[in-house]
Formats: sequence, structure tokens, C-alpha cells
Amino acid sequence: DAKTTQPPSMDCAEGRAANLPCNHSTISGNEYVYWYRQIHSQGPQYIIHGLKNNETNEMASLIITEDRKSSTLILPHATLRDTAVYYCIVRANAGNNRKLIWGLGTSLAVNP
Amino acid sequence: SQTIHQWPATLVQPVGSPLSLECTVEGTSNPNLYWYRQAAGRGLQLLFYSVGIGQISSEVPQNLSASRPQDRQFILSSKKLLLSDSGFYLCASKGQGVSGYTFGSGTRLTVV
Repeated sequence: DAKTTQPPSMDCAEGRAANLPCNHSTISGNEYVYWYRQIHSQGPQYIIHGLKNNETNEMASLIITEDRKSSTLILPHATLRDTAVYYCIVRANAGNNRKLIWGLGTSLAVNP
Repeated sequence: SQTIHQWPATLVQPVGSPLSLECTVEGTSNPNLYWYRQAAGRGLQLLFYSVGIGQISSEVPQNLSASRPQDRQFILSSKKLLLSDSGFYLCASKGQGVSGYTFGSGTRLTVV
């Protein structure tokens, strides 16, 4: 079973910020939070990951709560091309745990 | 940066026929390689992973097999396809020192 829970769907207006939540209450101390997105009929695309500090890159920002039990992916200015399924995954970066366990993600619809 | 070549993009095969899907990776050496399957409306299910040439780990009992004859080549095979083998097959790579997984564009297999 996936170690994360996400809302099945969200809507966002074009140009506005999209805030996608993720709960990972059983996360272990050595597990990172990864976000990927999958545009219809394509392979998933890596977006961002973090351990406990907030992270930002050219695609998005990742806000992780202090207790690390939840996080939010922020797309600051959503465009129509950001319409996709967004997956939140927790995974250790070391050791024999090389698997990503995928849930159903959040289907984000960016509307004009 | 890593690039994954996966082909074909779509495939329609009769029940009982053999299968061979190939994945090649560029831009990294000694990557961990993965085969995933995604059923319609579902998350990704890990089928096989490989940490090196000739090293294959199977995650679920199934009608498929995998091989890694070269460092950057990963092959998914079946001797006799079943209807339940239909799905979207994705190859992924995680190179040394790379943050996220890189996915191929996928093969949509329909067994008829």
C-alpha cells in the first residue's frame, strides 16, 4: 500500500497558484518526499523532492511541515500544461529500499 | 541528463503470442533500472528492478520476465501473453547521484 494519501482531484484557475496536499503520517526519519507528475499517456516526470527543509526549483516549491507528516506542492502560476496527475511518494534514498510505491495521485485540472 | 528510449509506443498482440519490450538508457552508467505497469486509472505497479547486468529482482508473480544483457539495456518479455497483461508499461532509470527517476515514454500494450 502507498504510504501517502492525496485528494483524488483538484481544480485550479490558469495563472493562479495550485497547492496540492499530501499526507504521509507514517514517514520514517530517513525517507524523503518525492513529487512526480504524469501527463496523460506519458511517463511520469520528476518534479521535486525534500527531506525536511522547504525546497524550490524552476518547476515548483515543496513545503514540508515541521513534524514531516504532511507536505504541499505549490505550482506558483499554473498553466494549462500543468494539467496532470500529481503523485506524492515517500522513499528512503539509501539502503535496499529502492522501490517507489505509487498511490493514485491527485488529478489536477487547470482551467482557462 | 538521462534519456530513456522505449519502444514501441503502442502494441496490439494476440493472446498466446510472445512479447519483447526494450528500454535503453543514455547519459548515465550503472543505473538502477525498473519496469512498471500501469492499468487504466491506477497507480504504477513495480514489476522488476535491476541494480546491474544480469541482476533482476521480481516484485510480483506474473507471466512476464526481465533481462539486463548490458548496463544500459533492460528488456521485458513474455513467452505467451494473457489478456491481463494489457496495460501501459514504463521503463525507469535512476542514475548514480541523480535525484529523481527518469521515465521512458511508455508502451501501451493491448492483448486481444
